[in-house]
Amino acid sequence: AQSVTQLGSHVSVSEGALVLLRCNYSSSVPPYLFWYVQYPNQGLQLLLKYTSAATLVKGINGFEAEFKKSETSFHLTKPSAHMSDAAEYFCAVSANRGYQKVTFGTGTKLQVIP
Amino acid sequence: ETGVTQSPTHLIKTRGQQVTLRCSSQSGHNTVSWYQQALGQGPQFIFQYYREEENGRGNFPPRFSGLQFPNYSSELNVNALELDDSALYLCASSLGGRTDTEAFFGQGTRLTVV
Repeated sequence: AQSVTQLGSHVSVSEGALVLLRCNYSSSVPPYLFWYVQYPNQGLQLLLKYTSAATLVKGINGFEAEFKKSETSFHLTKPSAHMSDAAEYFCAVSANRGYQKVTFGTGTKLQVIP
Repeated sequence: ETGVTQSPTHLIKTRGQQVTLRCSSQSGHNTVSWYQQALGQGPQFIFQYYREEENGRGNFPPRFSGLQFPNYSSELNVNALELDDSALYLCASSLGGRTDTEAFFGQGTRLTVV
């Protein structure tokens, strides 16, 4: 079985401050991990993915995430928040089942305060 | 913006009716997955089609069914609609049915059951 837990359904940061969105995963096999962003009334856009190569993964829009197996974590960070980062962020896990079943967390809404 | 298009964008149906949602996958992609996203929740995996065959299914009842066509476009059919079926339905296309490839999402179909 596979699952992800996102800590904090809402996170508020000031513009220019560090963004930290937390994700812990559970998987019975080595996982592939993803972060997606969803803007209002839109679909999901991939920010970054971990597929067992480098543990520090860089994505689009200045985001990065670090895979920590010992902590079963895959937290998303960005050094300096922009107003345009306000959106909902989903952590997701996909295990090798021969098909791509992606299990999503419940999401974290990021608010950026001017 | 991805090349995945979904239609219609919004739909209102009455409980007990049947609905068909459509998805055109990104050019070159042979795999389509469908997800249900209830309000305030993360997307839930319904099923995946790979080269016109269903090759994975989540915890959804048989009244949720699908098709994939030779051009890899897909339909999601839901029979005997229930109020709880109200959600955003997302289609994602990818290549090869593998677990580590990026899935490109459409903007979704917002289904309201009254």
